[in-house]
Amino acid sequence: EAGVTQFPSHSVIEKGQTVTLRCDPISGHDNLYWYRRVMGKEIKFLLHFVKESKQDESGMPNNRFLAERTGGTYSTLKVQPAELEDSGVYFCASSLGVVNSPLHFGNGTRLTVT
Amino acid sequence: RKEVEQDPGPFNVPEGATVAFNCTYSNSASQSFFWYRQDCRKEPKLLMSVYSSGNEDGRFTAQLNRASQYISLLIRDSKLSDSATYLCVVRRSGGGADGLTFGKGTHLIIQP
Repeated sequence: EAGVTQFPSHSVIEKGQTVTLRCDPISGHDNLYWYRRVMGKEIKFLLHFVKESKQDESGMPNNRFLAERTGGTYSTLKVQPAELEDSGVYFCASSLGVVNSPLHFGNGTRLTVT
Repeated sequence: RKEVEQDPGPFNVPEGATVAFNCTYSNSASQSFFWYRQDCRKEPKLLMSVYSSGNEDGRFTAQLNRASQYISLLIRDSKLSDSATYLCVVRRSGGGADGLTFGKGTHLIIQP
C-alpha cells in the first residue's frame, strides 16, 4: 500500500513568490490534514479536509495560505505571497477517520523562504 | 502552561540500557494519547497508542496516569536504531483533527 506522498520534498523560494505544495493521501482515506513545523517549535495543525470539504481550517495562519482538495483526492496548499516566517516543514497526513485511527504522515515538504 | 509538555533532552543512553520519559498534558478532557517517533528529517510515524490500562509492544511500554495527567514511554534493551525524537500526541474529546496536539518531542540518542 502506498503511503502519503508529498511533492516537492524541498522548495526554496524568495519572499513574495508563490509556492504550491501537493499531498496525495493513502487511497481510501477521506480525512486529510495539513500540519506545519517551524524550526524549534512543535508540529502545529493547519487544517482538516473530509473528502473535498474543509472540516476545520482554524490553524491556517492567514489568508496567504489557501488549501484545496478538489474531487476529494489529492490536496494542494498554496502560499501566496510567501514570507520569511513561512519557512518550515509542511506535513500532510491522512486517516480513515474512525475514532482513534492513527494519522499517517507524508515525508513533508521543507520550505525555505529567503 | 503548554498543552503538551515534554523534556526535549537530549537523553544520551548507552546501548542496552532502559530509558523512560514522560509527557504531561494540561487538558483534563483529553481522550486519546499516542507516541510518535520522528527520525531526523523524516515524517512522524506512529509508535504506539497509549491505553488506560497501559500497553506493551515488544521492548516498548506506554502508560497513562490520568490523575496526574501524564503519559510515559519506557524502552528496554535500547538499540542504536531507537535513536530518534519521540513525540507525545494528545487528542482532546471530540476526536477531530483540531484536537490533536503535539509535544515538541524528546530527543533520544543511543550510544554504542
